[in-house]
Amino acid sequence: DAGVIQSPRHEVTEMGQEVTLRCKPISGHDYLFWYRQTMMRGLELLIYFNNNVPIDDSGMPEDRFSAKMPNASFSTLKIQPSEPRDSAVYFCASSFRVPNTGELFFGEGSRLTVL
Amino acid sequence: AQSVTQLDSHVSVSEGTPVLLRCNYSSSYSPSLFWYVQHPNKGLQLLLKYTSAATLVKGINGFEAEFKKSETSFHLTKPSAHMSDAAEYFCVVSDPNQGGKLIFGQGTELSVKP
Repeated sequence: DAGVIQSPRHEVTEMGQEVTLRCKPISGHDYLFWYRQTMMRGLELLIYFNNNVPIDDSGMPEDRFSAKMPNASFSTLKIQPSEPRDSAVYFCASSFRVPNTGELFFGEGSRLTVL
Repeated sequence: AQSVTQLDSHVSVSEGTPVLLRCNYSSSYSPSLFWYVQHPNKGLQLLLKYTSAATLVKGINGFEAEFKKSETSFHLTKPSAHMSDAAEYFCVVSDPNQGGKLIFGQGTELSVKP
């Protein structure tokens, strides 16, 4: 299995631009998570889906952030407009069990730099 | 609310010596606890998990952790460090009040000297 696949691995953009991060979960996993990692705040859960339906988006910072999961094999995290404080590594993870079993499989992350 | 505290932000050991990464948890319930490892420029990988079965949990790559309720601790250990163990380690607790949401500690960076 190829694991969780994220793209792009690195993105450098200017403030105000739209950013779209993509994720392909492991086949058969019905939970998908988006996390953000920064030095200051550590790992933060932004949103998670179960069977393509958003379950908890309480971690999404503000309306500039949106996430979709149109089908079981693809999800996007969009930031519009982007700001320098959005610079971080964004991780996608998937699981075939409920979240509290802790068995999440992470992608290698998308490193976003907003100038 | 559930939380974890990793007591050391950075630990340095010599190759072949024991590793101890400390984690204390705060929980009103019998917690589910985990350790994850993150190698540079990589995603996180589950090392081991405790879910109220045996208190001594064995994980991958020779790591193990012991759940001690009396001390509210879940320290990660390895008898002999290898250079490839150099990474960031995260202690994690699951919060049943938030649908099982995983709460990550701030991480401990492990350096291994030759």
